[in-house]
Amino acid sequence: EPEVTQTPSHQVTQMGQEVILRCVPISNHLYFYWYRQILGQKVEFLVSFYNNEISEKSEIFDDQFSVERPDGSNFTLKIRSTKLEDSAMYFCASSEARGFHEQYFGPGTRLTVT
Amino acid sequence: SQQGEEDPQALSIQEGENATMNCSYKTSINNLQWYRQNSGRGLVHLILIRSNEREKHSGRLRVTLDTSKKSSSLLITASQAADTASYFCATEKFGAGNMLTFGGGTRLMVKP
Repeated sequence: EPEVTQTPSHQVTQMGQEVILRCVPISNHLYFYWYRQILGQKVEFLVSFYNNEISEKSEIFDDQFSVERPDGSNFTLKIRSTKLEDSAMYFCASSEARGFHEQYFGPGTRLTVT
Repeated sequence: SQQGEEDPQALSIQEGENATMNCSYKTSINNLQWYRQNSGRGLVHLILIRSNEREKHSGRLRVTLDTSKKSSSLLITASQAADTASYFCATEKFGAGNMLTFGGGTRLMVKP
């Protein structure tokens, strides 16, 4: 069964450093998403992406964050200058279309900012 | 309660018993999705119910949706120890694109 994959599974970085989290969505899916879950808290929406542009973003997704689909398979989340509060599990998800379609999540990347 | 709030927060049952988890939300929705998360792991999609549907089944899972009460329930029948996990409802609000809003989850423990 097709699945969303994410790399790395765990990333440790120092405050102020740039990180890139990578995702390979399900191949025939058109919509891509990033969510995050701070330890012990709810899963929070960050951004959705369609047709090579951002379609929705939350207030969390400020200028420090950016997304890109550099080729036909990868979808990346970049955090330019990490802060301690960026430590969280970051989930990538994809769906076939918008509306009445399931969003399938990857296993997550645990980001630890020290 | 906030959009997509589950209750109870924690539930402990014996293997073989049924487990019922509830979710309430505030705004009109396109659909509601239930996910399972094993400790520290990814979110596994369980079932999606559309706003014009009232009930859906998938294996041992039964989901109901009452849009007049803005609530949903997830029933797991004949629970197994492997069902031990956190269960989340996530709503896709009407007019908010594809953004899912998650609740805080129900931690289910199934004792063998």
